[in-house]
Amino acid sequence: QVQLVQSGAEVKKPGASVKVSCKASGYTFTTYYMHWVRQAPGQGLEWMGIINPSGGSPSYAQKFQGRVTMTRDTSTSTVYMELSSLRSEDTAVYYCARPYISSLYRVFGYWGQGTLVTVSS
Amino acid sequence: DIQMTQSPSSLSASVGDRVTITCRASQRISSYLNWYQQKPGKAPKVLVYAASSLQGGVPSRFSGSGSGTDFTLTISSLQPEDFATYYCQQSYSTALTFGGGTKVEIK
Repeated sequence: QVQLVQSGAEVKKPGASVKVSCKASGYTFTTYYMHWVRQAPGQGLEWMGIINPSGGSPSYAQKFQGRVTMTRDTSTSTVYMELSSLRSEDTAVYYCARPYISSLYRVFGYWGQGTLVTVSS
Repeated sequence: DIQMTQSPSSLSASVGDRVTITCRASQRISSYLNWYQQKPGKAPKVLVYAASSLQGGVPSRFSGSGSGTDFTLTISSLQPEDFATYYCQQSYSTALTFGGGTKVEIK
């Protein structure tokens, strides 16, 4: 079965960077795009960007341009999201999410369990 | 970016009630509208995609409708397990955006 397993919670200081991983299993990794979505405490969902595990340049939400980098490692079926210049407003749960079917690649079907990133001095 | 506005932001309802949540897009998005349910501490779950297509395994009491700029999610008979927060999401543009959410609470 499809599984997306994310790395554990992180606590970072303002100005630092964080790198969250999402290890995929149960399907052919390069077949489906992967998204990153975040949710601040008590707030709504915010899309951060999308990466094609088979290659090509990721696409980022304008809000995060210049601060976010999404990469993938096909040898381990893992995607990564790195966010730099962290500020307190970046405190959130970060999710990776995969479409159910490749033709509906902008619909989030499978989700990771979420990674809480806390930014605090 | 396309702005998605949901209403109401919260509602109280009883088991068995018919519940309707609306979502309005800031520009026309055809039928590129999806609905998610999220329970506390859990990842969201897709209920409806392409405005009116029910995701497999989702109970038939959920339905979606609309096109263009105005969309609705209807729960025909609210069940105890339906108390949650619901989000719409447009998949028309490359910059994906969500509505602010509607929290459905027990009356």
